[in-house]
Amino acid sequence: DIQMTQSPASLSASLGETVTIECRASEDIYNGLAWYQQKPGKSPQLLIYNANSLHTGVPSRFSGSGSGTQYSLKINSLQSEDVASYFCQQYYDYPTWTFGGGTKLELK
Amino acid sequence: EVQLVESGGGLVQPGRSLKLSCVASGFTFSNYGMNWIRQAPGKGLEWVAYISSGSSYIYYAETVKGRFTISRDNAKNTLYLQMTSLRSEDTALYYCARHPPSSYYFDYWGQGVMVTVSS
Repeated sequence: DIQMTQSPASLSASLGETVTIECRASEDIYNGLAWYQQKPGKSPQLLIYNANSLHTGVPSRFSGSGSGTQYSLKINSLQSEDVASYFCQQYYDYPTWTFGGGTKLELK
Repeated sequence: EVQLVESGGGLVQPGRSLKLSCVASGFTFSNYGMNWIRQAPGKGLEWVAYISSGSSYIYYAETVKGRFTISRDNAKNTLYLQMTSLRSEDTALYYCARHPPSSYYFDYWGQGVMVTVSS
């Protein structure tokens, strides 16, 4: 199985700050990567797919980038409603889809 | 609006069985591959099982293979997960989630249903 390693595991940032979360795959996943946001007590919601495509209705302050084994999620101008956990997921390796361990984002 | 509503969870003893359901609405259920994904308390996400739109392709995570069975009834817009020989490590919030056409990320998730395996 492809292992997904996310960093950092937790992150504290101020309102208006730019935040970056990293995800590394154990082998090339050819942009088969999605990012999800999970607010406390809620189910995960899709943010980004194909490494850099924004899902319908997701604010443009979220963006994804990367290639090969290294990917990142960037949040520009952090808002209070962005406090959540974020997970990456690889879907290149059909049908064994795996998630990163998650990044918990809090306000400083 | 796409909606996925899970039910059937609860407290069950180790070794016993439980069946989860997920009722879909707001889209043509029979056109989409569906999944079960779980999250142990305070932990990350683990994909559990997949079923293709017409039930031709079914896959399981190694951790549940031989114990869990995924199925669907397209006439009832319902996805199922039959869980047998339950273990304490199966304790988790179970989500049903949809694949978009021609890809394998998860574009919509249900609210989840809790399964607790304990004596």
